[in-house]
Amino acid sequence: DSGVTQTPKHLITATGQRVTLRCSPRSGDLSVYWYQQSLDQGLQFLIQYYNGEERAKGNILERFSAQQFPDLHSELNLSSLELGDSALYFCASSPPGTGELFFGEGSRLTVL
Amino acid sequence: GENVEQHPSTLSVQEGDSAVIKCTYSDSASNYFPWYKQELGKRPQLIIDIRSNVGEKKDQRIAVTLNKTAKHFSLHITETQPEDSAVYFCAASLNSGTYKYIFGTGTRLKVLA
Repeated sequence: DSGVTQTPKHLITATGQRVTLRCSPRSGDLSVYWYQQSLDQGLQFLIQYYNGEERAKGNILERFSAQQFPDLHSELNLSSLELGDSALYFCASSPPGTGELFFGEGSRLTVL
Repeated sequence: GENVEQHPSTLSVQEGDSAVIKCTYSDSASNYFPWYKQELGKRPQLIIDIRSNVGEKKDQRIAVTLNKTAKHFSLHITETQPEDSAVYFCAASLNSGTYKYIFGTGTRLKVLA
């Protein structure tokens, strides 16, 4: 158990819909990262937050948005879903100063 | 832009043999190089890392080497075992207050018994 909690674990929805994925980082970790992993693909960096502020943005679509709340949990919002958005979405947190990423178990999104 | 190339994409070795995975990064300011192992259906987990002030680091059967001049780093696994079968990701990261990661595309390692 990495200490990073992601919900839901599995989600099935239809094209055009909107979903919210939630991540609670490890206690004391200020950084939260979101990654998308499509089937048999690598880890595509979406976005990073540090203590509530956006720090870096990767290949995140305009239909996707995220935020980190004062209690440090983060949400990734995916809207106008397309079949190609089906993937495993990982959240990771990192303690200050070390650089190590602790990944959650992921949220598997299936868009039908 | 910033990029990390990883080779090979797949690697099959006989149990007991060694495996080597290589990565090249583009951002010369990168100063932290972790390796993550992802078993099938599971989350990536850190197995070893190296910082730019060190050329080599070893932990039991795994080792990582870094050549800053060539912007190249490698993962070495000796005496491979079936449980080493997984996807391995390298990453290059810059510590600028927080860490900005760029991951390689992954190497699927199969250890044949």
